[in-house]
Amino acid sequence: EIVLTQSPGTLSLSPGERATLSCRASQSVNSNYLAWYQQKPGQAPRLLIYAASGRATGIPDRFSGSGSGTEFTLTISRLEPEDFAVFYCQQYGSSPLTFGGGTKVEIK
Amino acid sequence: EVQLVESGGGLVKPGGSLRLSCAASGFTFSSYHMNWVRQAPGKGLEWVSSITTSSSNIYYADSVKGRFTVSRDNAKNSLALQMLSLTAEDTAVYYCARGRGWDYNLYMDVWGKGTTVIVSS
Repeated sequence: EIVLTQSPGTLSLSPGERATLSCRASQSVNSNYLAWYQQKPGQAPRLLIYAASGRATGIPDRFSGSGSGTEFTLTISRLEPEDFAVFYCQQYGSSPLTFGGGTKVEIK
Repeated sequence: EVQLVESGGGLVKPGGSLRLSCAASGFTFSSYHMNWVRQAPGKGLEWVSSITTSSSNIYYADSVKGRFTVSRDNAKNSLALQMLSLTAEDTAVYYCARGRGWDYNLYMDVWGKGTTVIVSS
């Protein structure tokens, strides 16, 4: 099973700042099959990024994904007030599908 | 509008059973693999099960294998999760999610709002 470790656990930033979230895999993720989701309190997750860098439909271009192998990054170029939430990475290159523990981006 | 609506959650005693349902609309249900993902209170996301379009391939997390059974009815645009021998560790919000990709290589592009399962005496 591939274990995904997200860091930091919490990121305290102000609107307008840049957010950089990390997702590290315990072994290489096949075909860079890595997705990112955003979840706000009381809501279902929302797909942001698939295949490490593909932006999902309707996702603003301030969200970008990068990385390969075991190291992946989600970057939010300029935080908007609605971006503050918990973010999860998920690998789908190997069974079982696994999620990271999440990074909370909170308002500083 | 593409939509997934879960139902069937509730309070159940340890050792009990429950059947969750997911109604799909706004897309060709039979063309998509489907998933169940759960989230325990205050915790992260945990994949539970996936089922391919024609139900030919089904996958389960080790934590539920042998106790949960996923099924789908393409004629009724519905997904189900039969849960047996429930324990407190199964307490969670259960999400139905549409899969993109193939076989077990799935990410989830559409999610329902979830249904809550509480296992407690």
